[in-house]
Amino acid sequence: EAQVTQNPRYLITVTGKKLTVTCSQNMNHEYMSWYRQDPGLGLRQIYYSMNVEVTDKGDVPEGYKVSRKEKRNFPLILESPSPNQTSLYFCASSRRGNSYNEQFFGPGTRLTVL
Amino acid sequence: DAKTTQPTSMDCAEGRAANLPCNHSTISGNEYVYWYRQIHSQGPQYIIHGLKNNETNEMASLIITEDRKSSTLILPHATLRDTAVYYCIVRAGSSNTGKLIFGQGTTLQVKP
Repeated sequence: EAQVTQNPRYLITVTGKKLTVTCSQNMNHEYMSWYRQDPGLGLRQIYYSMNVEVTDKGDVPEGYKVSRKEKRNFPLILESPSPNQTSLYFCASSRRGNSYNEQFFGPGTRLTVL
Repeated sequence: DAKTTQPTSMDCAEGRAANLPCNHSTISGNEYVYWYRQIHSQGPQYIIHGLKNNETNEMASLIITEDRKSSTLILPHATLRDTAVYYCIVRAGSSNTGKLIFGQGTTLQVKP
């Protein structure tokens, strides 16, 4: 089944404790992206990747890192999480980023930083 | 990317057609109209997209006006599982970031 998976689905952590949210897709998509969703602010793009080893900042990249060493994986790294990073996170992928292709979203990761 | 305007909420009776409007009066010639939906904090789900012709797939139909300034998503026989927030998004196919700009969307409540 074609899908985007994220792990963990739920995470409660404390300020400053490094964490990684994994994202994996099995559709051989070139493009992958991370969003965060907050009440009243909608979904905002954090980082995106047009292909392997190519990543770029979205609208709200501060406090996050990403890497794209393999086509299928696009982990989101929070080196020193803070409470303002408490949010619902979604990973998305599509065949290509600079075309009209539909995007597939993962199920989401609900992160709480205390 | 052009801005879109959607009603905040709509109701629909189960089994009836749900018609969700979207205004995108500043759309450019190379921008597509996309519809996604989000069911209760799940990941957004692609529904349909179009450039200028009407489109239909197994989920819905998309009607785009001739001047392309507005569109309507039609769910032909709404079910309770179609209760969700529906987002109309306008984006160029040649986007440099692949970013989808999700506005506030329309909350569709399908009632028995």
